[in-house]
Amino acid sequence: DSGVTQTPKHLITATGQRVTLRCSPRSGDLSVYWYQQSLDQGLQFLIQYYNGEERAKGNILERFSAQQFPDLHSELNLSSLELGDSALYFCASSVDQNEQYFGPGTRLTVT
Amino acid sequence: LAKTTQPISMDSYEGQEVNITCSHNNIATNDYITWYQQFPSQGPRFIIQGYKTKVTNEVASLFIPADRKSSTLSLPRVSLSDTAVYYCLVAPSGQGGKLIFGQGTELSVKP
Repeated sequence: DSGVTQTPKHLITATGQRVTLRCSPRSGDLSVYWYQQSLDQGLQFLIQYYNGEERAKGNILERFSAQQFPDLHSELNLSSLELGDSALYFCASSVDQNEQYFGPGTRLTVT
Repeated sequence: LAKTTQPISMDSYEGQEVNITCSHNNIATNDYITWYQQFPSQGPRFIIQGYKTKVTNEVASLFIPADRKSSTLSLPRVSLSDTAVYYCLVAPSGQGGKLIFGQGTELSVKP
């Protein structure tokens, strides 16, 4: 158990819909990272927040957005969903970016 | 960010020592080398990190030559449960960078 929690575990939705994924970091970690992992793309970094502020951005689509709240939990919002957005979405937290602790992931299926 | 190159796959047998080498020719002075392990449908798990020479923990050893252009993850006496994908990452410590997970090395341990 990494100490990072993610909800929900599974999510099935239709194209065009919007979903919110939630992440609670390890106690004391100020940084939260979001990753997308699909079969053909591998593990892709999406975005990082540090103590409520966006710190780094990766290959995140404009249809996707994230935020980190004062209690440090984070939400990833995915809108106008497409079939290709089906993937595992991981959240990680850390003190140092090189030692990240990953949550169990949310498996999103878009039908 | 320094690009890394690893073998796509490796096979081993239970009880053997496994060495996975990663090339990172463009590593910067302030970059650290970090290895993660990932089981199917789970988030990556931090294994070990080093800057130079040798680092050892209860799970693995990391060997880094003086020029730091490569590194070798050594797993002693592997078991079936070590079957996983192993990622080598190179990045500076601190906050605010994006970690790039390459294709990784798929290690298969056979009985």
